[in-house]
Order: sequence, then C-alpha cells, then structure tokens
Amino acid sequence: KAGVTQTPRYLIKTRGQQVTLSCSPISGHRSVSWYQQTPGQGLQFLFEYFSETQRNKGNFPGRFSGRQFSNSRSEMNVSTLELGDSALYLCASRAGTEETQYFGPGTRLLVL
Amino acid sequence: AQSVTQLGSHVSVSEGALVLLRCNYSSSVPPYLFWYVQYPNQGLQLLLKYTTGATLVKGINGFEAEFKKSETSFHLTKPSAHMSDAAEYFCAVSPQTGANNLFFGTGTRLTVIP
Repeated sequence: KAGVTQTPRYLIKTRGQQVTLSCSPISGHRSVSWYQQTPGQGLQFLFEYFSETQRNKGNFPGRFSGRQFSNSRSEMNVSTLELGDSALYLCASRAGTEETQYFGPGTRLLVL
Repeated sequence: AQSVTQLGSHVSVSEGALVLLRCNYSSSVPPYLFWYVQYPNQGLQLLLKYTTGATLVKGINGFEAEFKKSETSFHLTKPSAHMSDAAEYFCAVSPQTGANNLFFGTGTRLTVIP
C-alpha cells in the first residue's frame, strides 16, 4: 500500500497570507490527524477528522482549520499567517479507531 | 491528562554500544505507548508500540522497549548501535479511551560515533 502523502512538501509565504496544505491517507484509512512540529514547541496535535467530521481538536487558534472529503483526503488551512506558524506540518492516518497512526513526510512551511 | 518526558535531548553512543533512550509518561487512563523515529527532512516512522499484553515489545531495526507500569516508563533500547540509527526519537502516549490523539515527548537526538 502507498503511504501517507502530503503536498506540497515545501512552501514559502509572507505574513498575512493564507495557506492550504493537503494530505492523502493510506488507502482504506478514514481518520486523518494533523500535527505541527516546531523547534520550540515540539510536536503538537492540531485536529483529527474521521468520515468528514472533526472528531478531536487541539489547542490552536481559529486561524487553523481543516476539512475532510468523502475520499478521506484532508486539507488544513491557516489564515492570516504569522511568523510563528513556520513549522513542519505532519499528517497522519489510521483505520477508524485503530491506535496506530502512520505519518506522511510533512509539509515544511516558512513564513517570512 | 497525558504527558511524556524524555530524559536527555541529546544522546551519543559509540557504534556497537548499547542504546538506551528514556521515556516516562503520565496518563490519567490506561495508555497506549509508542516510539517513533524521525530522520532528517522526513516524517515520523513507527518503531514499536505497546497496547496490551506482553510488556516487552520488539520493533523494527532491532529496537525494543519495556512497559513498566510501576515506574510509568517505556524506555527504548537496542543492544548494538549502528551508524544508520542516528536520528531523532520521539516517545508518545495516547489514552486507550476517548479522544486518542498522540502526546509527544520533546525528542532525543541520537548520535552514533564511529
């Protein structure tokens, strides 16, 4: 099976802009989670989608949002970008309520 | 609430030496425990996991970890380090019930000295 894929792999944006990141889960996986990784804060959970519904949410401002499509692909959006949003954004998928999450290679976002 | 503490942000070992990466967790409910590895410019790869049953779990690349409930620990070991083991290692916990997203430790960067 193909793994989790994320596009794009790298992005450069300027403050105030918005960005959309995409994640395609492993075939058959209906749950997609997003994590932010920064040197200062480490790995932090953003949100999880299952069957097009947000199932769980971390402690991030409303500028961070996501959605999931009927084919389980997910997008996350960050509006009004700030310098502190520069990070590696990781997507993970799992099958339903299975405990193991499988990660994609990430999208590295740089905000200037 | 769940949290993970990884002692030692950097660990250096000689090639062929024992690798020991420490992880202690706090969880208000029975946890699932994981070790992930991250190579430069890559995502996270699952090394091993503890769910239920046998407390000594074996993973990929010769790594293993032992769940010790009394010590709330889940340390990662490998008998003999290889150069290819150089990477960052993350311990993570998720509750077995309810919202089971992962809570990660701050990571340990492993350097293998030839």
